[in-house]
Amino acid sequence: DQQVKQNSPSLSVQEGRISILNCDYTNSMFDYFLWYKKYPAEGPTFLISISSIKDKNEDGRFTVFLNKSAKHLSLHIVPSQPGDSAVYFCAASAWDAGKSTFGDGTTLTVKP
Amino acid sequence: NAGVTQTPKFQVLKTGQSMTLQCAQDMNHNSMYWYRQDPGMGLRLIYYSASEGTTDKGEVPNGYNVSRLNKREFSLRLESAAPSQTSVYFCASSEALGRTGRQPQHFGDGTRLSIL
Repeated sequence: DQQVKQNSPSLSVQEGRISILNCDYTNSMFDYFLWYKKYPAEGPTFLISISSIKDKNEDGRFTVFLNKSAKHLSLHIVPSQPGDSAVYFCAASAWDAGKSTFGDGTTLTVKP
Repeated sequence: NAGVTQTPKFQVLKTGQSMTLQCAQDMNHNSMYWYRQDPGMGLRLIYYSASEGTTDKGEVPNGYNVSRLNKREFSLRLESAAPSQTSVYFCASSEALGRTGRQPQHFGDGTRLSIL
């Protein structure tokens, strides 16, 4: 049973527009969520995180929204740039679990 | 500033051969992890070490063993490689996610392993 799901394997947007990447989770014990970005032939790099005590966290062009009642989070990138083209992974962890559970990723393509 | 270093970057094995993947971090992190990533899939946790001297199984531990050699190094061993273990393997480190708060993981660039 996959506890973290990214239901869209791919997303294509035009440069300058908004990119919205979605993530759903099933484990109600998850209370901390992270987004990672991965370029080909490289390891994932941390992008932004959010604690369950918040419903929004913003860092420059990147904003993560958390809807706990729906067990849903989303990553907004505004404006999107061609350099944002990568695979984005959503991850979740429970307090004191010592580890994260990852989704399968969404490949974002930003067209010039 | 090297971060997380994995060796080797590429390896081809024959079925039944053994191999150890090496990982070292220079960030003084307590926790270290081994993941595998198969095409179209996310990162699946093989083993992790919350602190020096401890190791725990993740989602997909079968066919693997690990050693937390010291605080810096965490190795992954395939005792008898099988074609199903063909994958990209990532090592990561972080401050402990649990009691000490939440810190993101820092990843190496992966080891691409093919088993024929």
